[in-house]
Amino acid sequence: QVQLVESGGGVVQPGRSLRLSCAASGFTFNIYGMHWVRQAPGRGLEWVAVILYDGSNKYYADSVQGRFTISRDNSKNTLYLQMNSLRVEDTAVYYCAKDRSSSYSYGMDVWGQGTTVTVS
Amino acid sequence: DILMTQSPSSLSASVGDRVTITCRASQGIRTDLGWYQQKPGKAPKRLIFAASTLVSGVPSRFSGSGSGTEFTLTINSLQPEDFATYYCLQHYISPLTFGQGTRVEIK
Repeated sequence: QVQLVESGGGVVQPGRSLRLSCAASGFTFNIYGMHWVRQAPGRGLEWVAVILYDGSNKYYADSVQGRFTISRDNSKNTLYLQMNSLRVEDTAVYYCAKDRSSSYSYGMDVWGQGTTVTVS
Repeated sequence: DILMTQSPSSLSASVGDRVTITCRASQGIRTDLGWYQQKPGKAPKRLIFAASTLVSGVPSRFSGSGSGTEFTLTINSLQPEDFATYYCLQHYISPLTFGQGTRVEIK
């Protein structure tokens, strides 16, 4: 079945870096756009970034632009989120999610279970 | 950025009630909107895409409507498993934006 499994979360000090991974299975990874979405404790959902099916284009939320980098390795069916210059306000559960299109045109249809990042 | 204003932020309802949640976009987004349900400690689950298309396997008591700037999620005959938080999402243009969520609680 379609599955997304995030990893790489943990506790990190402000200003440090962390890289999240999302392993995909059960679908043809290299034809779909992929997203990262986060949720701070007790708060709503916040979209973070999207990468097109071939990695050719990437889009970011203003709150992470210049600090976070989304990437993918289609040979490994894996999505990444490199997070630099982390701030306390980046503390959240980070979800990876698959789009129904090759970009972001149809929104997220499958979500991972999330990985927790704590900046403290 | 497109602002998605979702209302109400919370509501109390009883099993069997009809519930309506609204999202208003700050500019037109055609029908590029989805509705998601999230239960505590769980990942969101998509219920509706393209504003009014029900995801396969989602009960027919859920329905969506709207286009442009006004959208509605309706739950007919609320069931115990429907108590959760609901979010709208616009994917018309980047940055994608969610509504702030509507918590549906048991009265």
